Amino acid sequence: NAGVTQTPKFRVLKTGQSMTLLCAQDMNHEYMYWYRQDPGMGLRLIHYSVGEGTTAKGEVPDGYNVSRLKKQNFLLGLESAAPSQTSVYFCASTDPTSQGSGELFFGEGSRLTVL
Amino acid sequence: LAKTTQPISMDSYEGQEVNITCSHNNIATNDYITWYQQFPSQGPRFIIQGYKTKVTNEVASLFIPADRKSSTLSLPRVSLSDTAVYYCLVGRGFQKLVFGTGTRLLVSP
Repeated sequence: NAGVTQTPKFRVLKTGQSMTLLCAQDMNHEYMYWYRQDPGMGLRLIHYSVGEGTTAKGEVPDGYNVSRLKKQNFLLGLESAAPSQTSVYFCASTDPTSQGSGELFFGEGSRLTVL
Repeated sequence: LAKTTQPISMDSYEGQEVNITCSHNNIATNDYITWYQQFPSQGPRFIIQGYKTKVTNEVASLFIPADRKSSTLSLPRVSLSDTAVYYCLVGRGFQKLVFGTGTRLLVSP
């Protein structure tokens, strides 16, 4: 059981380039999230999805787009990367049928550097 | 959304009990309180969740007073491997789960 898998794990981009981060979960979770974490800082919510075909903005959505075409996948896109987007990106998923707010399952992170 | 406030850092020694308090003054009726642990270069990991009073599992206890405006994560007899950042998360349903700044715990020999 792989849980939450993020690809790629590392990427270096030049300013203005585009890229897509893929998050895949095999737990049949309905809810998925993208967070970013800057060095020494907490996690900030970028976008989230409450089901296939739905997405919503989090705390810091500017400069990012997302898609949830399949329940198991949540894609995070950068159309024109900027140095301020250098960060570690974490994907998470949870099951809304769990008690309370559910347990978030996180991927291992994707480290992105924009030069 | 309930805003959370935690101490930025705490220091302890091996074998001691550590209590980390989180303040969440505007917690909503349906919100649960969840704590996560994060090691460097890893995603956060679930520790414990509660709604009121006391919850205990194999690794920690969570104390929530009657007014639910704060909560305390208790780690019994910490070891060096408990050095990590601890996040308090107050959730309104499943939709917009926002983390606070976390508490950096350093356990020394």
